[in-house]
Amino acid sequence: ETGVTQTPRHLVMGMTNKKSLKCEQHLGHNAMYWYKQSAKKPLELMFVYSLEERVENNSVPSRFSPECPNSSHLFLHLHTLQPEDSALYLCASSLQPQGGGNYGYTFGSGTRLTVV
Amino acid sequence: QKEVEQNSGPLSVPEGAIASLNCTYSDRGSQSFFWYRQYSGKSPELIMSIYSNGDKEDGRFTAQLNKASQYVSLLIRDSQPSDSATYLCAVAAMNRDDKIIFGKGTRLHILP
Repeated sequence: ETGVTQTPRHLVMGMTNKKSLKCEQHLGHNAMYWYKQSAKKPLELMFVYSLEERVENNSVPSRFSPECPNSSHLFLHLHTLQPEDSALYLCASSLQPQGGGNYGYTFGSGTRLTVV
Repeated sequence: QKEVEQNSGPLSVPEGAIASLNCTYSDRGSQSFFWYRQYSGKSPELIMSIYSNGDKEDGRFTAQLNKASQYVSLLIRDSQPSDSATYLCAVAAMNRDDKIIFGKGTRLHILP
């Protein structure tokens, strides 16, 4: 257990479904992130929240919608996804906003998403 | 475009030998360097961080940094089968607006 909890661990959804991914961190960190990891590609940063405020949206399609109600919780709302959106979605947190400071990121266990 | 380059592997190393993983980066302003280990189907786990030129040792792991050559490496001594994983190199500048940039990772296979 890393201190960053993601649910669900696995998700299969149809292209017309609406679902949400949840992330919760118990580390007292000030920044939270959503990453996408596809096969044979580097980790792709999707969204950054610093002290509950979105500070970066890395040109992510609008079918992905993040929500950060407080510094401990982060959601990723999904709707009308495409099969190419199938990937491992990772939540991470860091003590310092942006750059990870000197501490790097702590990742959650990820949600394996399959879009059918 | 800031980039972090790693050989994708797989890198095969006999059990008990030293595994050497290499990484180069393009941004000369980079100040923080990280190595993450990722087992298949799992999330990345931070195993080493280094900020100054030279070597940093932690158990069987040694991180080496050469900022002049823009090169960072990870040595794993006495390699074990449990070290078989993908190792991600990550680099960050200290500017507030900068984020961690990850490489694609090197797949390491320790041969029993």
